[in-house]
Amino acid sequence: NAGVMQNPRHLVRRRGQEARLRCSPMKGHSHVYWYRQLPEEGLKFMVYLQKENIIDESGMPKERFSAEFPKEGPSILRIQQVVRGDSAAYFCASSPPDYPRETQYFGPGTRLLVL
Amino acid sequence: GNSVTQMEGPVTLSEEAFLTINCTYTATGYPSLFWYVQYPGEGLQLLLKATKADDKGSNKGFEATYRKETTSFHLEKGSVQVSDSAVYFCALFEYNFNKFYFGSGTKLNVKP
Repeated sequence: NAGVMQNPRHLVRRRGQEARLRCSPMKGHSHVYWYRQLPEEGLKFMVYLQKENIIDESGMPKERFSAEFPKEGPSILRIQQVVRGDSAAYFCASSPPDYPRETQYFGPGTRLLVL
Repeated sequence: GNSVTQMEGPVTLSEEAFLTINCTYTATGYPSLFWYVQYPGEGLQLLLKATKADDKGSNKGFEATYRKETTSFHLEKGSVQVSDSAVYFCALFEYNFNKFYFGSGTKLNVKP
């Protein structure tokens, strides 16, 4: 069973461009979580999604950031008009249905660098 | 609020040395506590966890005890190996908010 997959693993963008980060959960997992790790800081929760629904987006910045988890395909974290402060590692985690939310399996992360 | 503080790295040890990575937390409720490990190029993997005060989590020779009186969950291993070289994250799961709170990670380098 393949683990959580994220791509790209490294992404370089110039200020003002868009960044799209993809997360494919483990097989059978219907819950996805996104976290951001700024330099020298811990992972911080951004958003929790189930298929076609955003359950908790309390950690998402109010502007420029959006997330989706469509019925088919990977979850996407989209950052519009990136700024240097968006440079970070973005981690995705997934969990199976009917499991407590602390049971999460993490992907390897996407390192975003904004020039 | 909820937060996790862990010792800064990198920590460099010789093989077979004793390891301690300190972790303290603040929480508004009664969290579960976790240690995750991240090997180069991979995702975070659950190393061990403890769900209530005085519980001891253990796995692969690592252990940590949930100490409510000192709000700590220090990670220990009696004899580290080169293959233990990784980044270690301490985390708490707060059930009131249904969220994880992570420390900033401690990089461990073990030299042969």
